[in-house]
Amino acid sequence: DQQVKQNSPSLSVQEGRISILNCDYTNSMFDYFLWYKKYPAEGPTFLISISSIKDKNEDGRFTVFLNKSAKHLSLHIVPSQPGDSAVYFCAASGAGGTSYGKLTFGQGTILTVHP
Amino acid sequence: DAGITQSPRHKVTETGTPVTLRCHQTENHRYMYWYRQDPGHGLRLIHYSYGVKDTDKGEVSDGYSVSRSKTEDFLLTLESATSSQTSVYFCAISESSATNEKLFFGSGTQLSVL
Repeated sequence: DQQVKQNSPSLSVQEGRISILNCDYTNSMFDYFLWYKKYPAEGPTFLISISSIKDKNEDGRFTVFLNKSAKHLSLHIVPSQPGDSAVYFCAASGAGGTSYGKLTFGQGTILTVHP
Repeated sequence: DAGITQSPRHKVTETGTPVTLRCHQTENHRYMYWYRQDPGHGLRLIHYSYGVKDTDKGEVSDGYSVSRSKTEDFLLTLESATSSQTSVYFCAISESSATNEKLFFGSGTQLSVL
């Protein structure tokens, strides 16, 4: 039972354009959402997060949007750069601090940004 | 970068042999985790620890055991490796408070069970 789903295995975008990565979840207990970025042969690195009490969080070129009623979140990268090419994982946790960082991850989306 | 070292980085072993993977941190974080990454599944939690000698099972714990005798070290053991345990294994650490669920990951161990 995949509680966090990233239905697009891959996304290809031209440099300078917007990249939109999508994520859906089924567990209404999730209250904190994160995006991680992963380069080959490296561990995932934290990118941006959002609490369920917000609907938007922005950090530089990266913005995460949360639609709780639709159980959907998205990551926008504007403008996209070739260095953004990586695998992006959506993750979720529930019950605040009592979840002890036990994140549930999506399958990942491979983003390729062409020069 | 968070001070997390995983060893070995690569391991090839045969079915039925025991294997131990090591995670060492220098951040003095209380919480440590073992995840495995497989195509089509993302990362799945195997075991986690919330302190010395305090561990618990994650989503895919069958066939794995862990130990944490010191704050800085978290060991993952495959008692009798199977081909289904071929995967990339990531260790992660966290301060894990009510406002911070962020994990920091090591570089991973590529394990092949033949």
